[in-house]
Amino acid sequence: DTGVSQDPRHKITKRGQNVTFRCDPISEHNRLYWYRQTLGQGPEFLTYFQNEAQLEKSRLLSDRFSAERPKGSFSTLEIQRTEQGDSAMYLCASSFGQGATGYTFGSGTRLTVV
Amino acid sequence: KQEVTQIPAALSVPEGENLVLNCSFTDSAIYNLQWFRQDPGKGLTSLLLIQSSQREQTSGRLNASLDKSSGRSTLYIAASQPGDSATYLCAVKETSGSRLTFGEGTQLTVNP
Repeated sequence: DTGVSQDPRHKITKRGQNVTFRCDPISEHNRLYWYRQTLGQGPEFLTYFQNEAQLEKSRLLSDRFSAERPKGSFSTLEIQRTEQGDSAMYLCASSFGQGATGYTFGSGTRLTVV
Repeated sequence: KQEVTQIPAALSVPEGENLVLNCSFTDSAIYNLQWFRQDPGKGLTSLLLIQSSQREQTSGRLNASLDKSSGRSTLYIAASQPGDSATYLCAVKETSGSRLTFGEGTQLTVNP
């Protein structure tokens, strides 16, 4: 197992376009999380899944954002009608259960909206 | 609402110095606390995980302590090296809920 994988590493898009990111968690981990990090700040929670069920969403997750984890394995995060304020690093993490053994993060997807 | 604060925001030291990074949190009902390292433009690498029942954890030149009652954790780095230059983030998981709450990080520069 190579850890948590995220794709793409970088994405530049024009304002108003839709973008989709993918995350492949550690295979034994049943929980998957999405975080967003802007420059100079710590990551902020967006949403999490337990298996295929989306159990919690932050108020940061506006209706332009949608996340799925259809088979309880990989997850996608889609942003519709991107805005310049969406420019950030989008981080995915996974854990087994409540996270007694900690969270493992991926390398992130850097989104730049121009 | 849990709030996590890291002090200092930035630190510059000469190579070989021992140093301490501080993390404080407002709600002591935590499940565990995790220290991460982040290199510029990269993801987070886990350094140490301390369970709420533990007082400290060690890995190589790193030692993390936890005082849950006072809402504090420290990360001690011994004999710092230029390769230690990075941003160090502390994150708290509460007993209720699933999210990690992060501090804003300490940006460390170790000068050769």
